[in-house]
Amino acid sequence: AQTVTQSQPEMSVQEAETVTLSCTYDTSENNYYLFWYKQPPSRQMILVIRQEAYKQQNATENRFSVNFQKAAKSFSLKISDSQLGDTAMYFCAFTRIQGGSEKLVFGKGTKLTVNP
Amino acid sequence: DARVTQTPRHKVTEMGQEVTMRCQPILGHNTVFWYRQTMMQGLELLAYFRNRAPLDDSGMPKDRFSAEMPDATLATLKIQPSEPRDSAVYFCASGLLPGEGYEQYFGPGTRLTVT
Repeated sequence: AQTVTQSQPEMSVQEAETVTLSCTYDTSENNYYLFWYKQPPSRQMILVIRQEAYKQQNATENRFSVNFQKAAKSFSLKISDSQLGDTAMYFCAFTRIQGGSEKLVFGKGTKLTVNP
Repeated sequence: DARVTQTPRHKVTEMGQEVTMRCQPILGHNTVFWYRQTMMQGLELLAYFRNRAPLDDSGMPKDRFSAEMPDATLATLKIQPSEPRDSAVYFCASGLLPGEGYEQYFGPGTRLTVT
């Protein structure tokens, strides 16, 4: 069974600074997708960034980028130029791409607070 | 702006009562998921459907939970009878799978409180 581990229950960062959230996962699959979701106090789950396992290039979306290390099964999220609106829970998630098994497996989350 | 909608947004009920949660997936999406979020267990899959057929309901307590898709625009999750341990946020998500980056689009959730 796949598992996702986020080892940092809480983190804080000053506005405009950079912060990195850690995620490791365990799977025997060779191809899969990894995601970071943001959940602000509104509870809405918002996709931040995704990475397909067979693509070696790290994904980037504006201020958000990932460091994907497939051999180490590591998938960290870097937020640059942190903004107050980045305050939220962040969930790392994994999905197989085998038909009939596309459920998301989530980590426990990291609560990020951006301080002014 | 296509979105997944869920009703109700909040539900408070007494133990033993039936609860029905509804979800309207994004038009054209063929896959619908139900997730539950609690402080203790985090986010976990309850069930999911492809083209209205159930694919996986292994995460759902079968004795009291049931999930259906009466048509392509409506998914329902029922709890009967409800128990205090069912208190959680229930999310519906939809996607066009396989493909499209395997992205799942989440609804706003239903916060259920069972007293």
